[in-house]
Amino acid sequence: IAGITQAPTSQILAAGRRMTLRCTQDMRHNAMYWYRQDLGLGLRLIHYSNTAGTTGKGEVPDGYSVSRANTDDFPLTLASAVPSQTSVYFCASSALGGGAGNEQFFGPGTRLTVL
Amino acid sequence: AQSVAQPEDQVNVAEGNPLTVKCTYSVSGNPYLFWYVQYPNRGLQFLLKYITGDNLVKGSYGFEAEFNKSQTSFHLKKPSALVSDSALYFCAVRDGGATNKLIFGTGTLLAVQP
Repeated sequence: IAGITQAPTSQILAAGRRMTLRCTQDMRHNAMYWYRQDLGLGLRLIHYSNTAGTTGKGEVPDGYSVSRANTDDFPLTLASAVPSQTSVYFCASSALGGGAGNEQFFGPGTRLTVL
Repeated sequence: AQSVAQPEDQVNVAEGNPLTVKCTYSVSGNPYLFWYVQYPNRGLQFLLKYITGDNLVKGSYGFEAEFNKSQTSFHLKKPSALVSDSALYFCAVRDGGATNKLIFGTGTLLAVQP
């Protein structure tokens, strides 16, 4: 079934540790996104990529980095995790073009707890 | 800057009654507006979008939304609520430029009582 997969499903991490959240899509979408969801704040964009080889900063990029080596994969790395990065992380993808009004498709999320 | 507001944290409605989940927007230029639904412990699912054209947009699961330019609103509606509609609903607006970046509202929890 076409869609987006994320790994791990959940993770408990000690502060200061490095962590990479994985995201893979099989829809051949140009664009991919990382959001964090926090209670009362909705979803906030961390980083995005419009096409393989390019990335951009979203609303809350500090403490996170991304790479886009190919179309399908878009990993999110926390270089040195802090407790404020405890959140649920969602990866999404969309086609581009057609007036850029294409909807985004979301993965199932990764629940991250930083202690 | 583009933004959306969902003024209600929670909406309660009895099964079979009509439901409305409110969303207002602020954009420069023409708005591209979206509604998503999130069931517990799941990712967001696309419901419907307004890009241009007819102000009444029909989407998945019997939902529809009315675009009102004068009131800068894009309220989500359903004529007859189901218990299974209980979920978290997000309104979103495209962030402009040549990308599909979305700005999300804070979400409205819809609770449908049997």
